[in-house]
Amino acid sequence: QKEVEQNSGPLSVPEGAIASLNCTYSDRGSQSFFWYRQYSGKSPELIMFIYSNGDKEDGRFTAQLNKASQYVSLLIRDSQPSDSATYLCAVRRAGKSTFGDGTTLTVKP
Amino acid sequence: EAQVTQNPRYLITVTGKKLTVTCSQNMNHEYMSWYRQDPGLGLRQIYYSMNVEVTDKGDVPEGYKVSRKEKRNFPLILESPSPNQTSLYFCASTHRGTGMTGELFFGEGSRLTVL
Repeated sequence: QKEVEQNSGPLSVPEGAIASLNCTYSDRGSQSFFWYRQYSGKSPELIMFIYSNGDKEDGRFTAQLNKASQYVSLLIRDSQPSDSATYLCAVRRAGKSTFGDGTTLTVKP
Repeated sequence: EAQVTQNPRYLITVTGKKLTVTCSQNMNHEYMSWYRQDPGLGLRQIYYSMNVEVTDKGDVPEGYKVSRKEKRNFPLILESPSPNQTSLYFCASTHRGTGMTGELFFGEGSRLTVL
């Protein structure tokens, strides 16, 4: 079992729809949780981070964390073609960061 | 401009020829880390450093060495590269902070091919 698992892609949604990305992790000692976006051929860039149970909203993005279920999600509202990318879930415990394999999202105009 | 700089960006080398990929950050970050990214395997942590002279193994340290003699630099050393080390490498840094909640700032990546 992988330490961080993301829902298998690719995921395709129409423009304006909600995209839902999911991630589960195995280490209950994980302290902080991140969503990165990576365009093809580019380096990852941070979308959201969360470290407390519940929801965290930033513009069109909402991260949700449920530590009891060891589950993290990212919702993208009003999806735009520019959101088309690979989304990486990462969990961190002290200095060790573990990434999921990523979910590739395509937003179709 | 705040940035993480990696060199070289692209390198083709041969098996056994020692090489170093440099990483430098200008944000005064305590924490630095190296990752490799392979298709279907995501980003995997090689080594990380919480501060000067402090380094720890990540998930895939075999075949790699690092050093942290200065705060800004964190070179990745491949003493005897092998073809299975062909990959895209990223260096990243962040403030250590409380609980290590800071985002990682990534370099642009170094694509290494070992023949």
